[in-house]
Amino acid sequence: GAVVSQHPSWVICKSGTSVKIECRSLDFQATTMFWYRQFPKQSLMLMATSNEGSKATYEQGVEKDKFLINHASLTLSTLTVTSAHPEDSSFYICSARDHGPEQGSKGYTFGSGTRLTVV
Amino acid sequence: QKEVEQNSGPLSVPEGAIASLNCTYSDRGSQSFFWYRQYSGKSPELIMFIYSNGDKEDGRFTAQLNKASQYVSLLIRDSQPSDSATYLCAVKHSSASKIIFGSGTRLSIRP
Repeated sequence: GAVVSQHPSWVICKSGTSVKIECRSLDFQATTMFWYRQFPKQSLMLMATSNEGSKATYEQGVEKDKFLINHASLTLSTLTVTSAHPEDSSFYICSARDHGPEQGSKGYTFGSGTRLTVV
Repeated sequence: QKEVEQNSGPLSVPEGAIASLNCTYSDRGSQSFFWYRQYSGKSPELIMFIYSNGDKEDGRFTAQLNKASQYVSLLIRDSQPSDSATYLCAVKHSSASKIIFGSGTRLSIRP
């Protein structure tokens, strides 16, 4: 089945630094990738939708200059948290959609998530 | 109004009983509906998806969809302690490729 690899699985960084998270589709081409953020005991909140070769679409309230998304190929999307602060500490999860059928689950595969801690 | 609403729980069910989880959504044009299971600290895992009115069964799980009433439910038969997790309802928008998650229901199966 479709596999999405997300790295790193956890990262600790100092306040003010930037962190890059990678999301790769291993056995399919992902036309669209999604980035979610999840705070403790809360649900997944969609941050942005990235389409290969075009600018990402950010959800309301998400700062595009702080959360930089690059989807330069059909198998790789990256999320860079710039000038990270402790309030950015969260669980970040990517999801990739392949060229599969419109309906059903085959279009949405999740990465294993990245636990970001900013100190 | 939230786009996807779930009772946060916790829902406590004795082992072997049926657990019933409910979800309502606001976008009447939504076409695809998903149930994910998430263990603490882990990524969501797909349990069921459904896009036609009625019931869809897969092992101990049954998803039910009623588009007229805009609700989708998940039944877990013969509940096991390993079913203890947070269950997330997700809906695909009619006009976009993204899926939106509900807040999740914490399920606890007591021995």
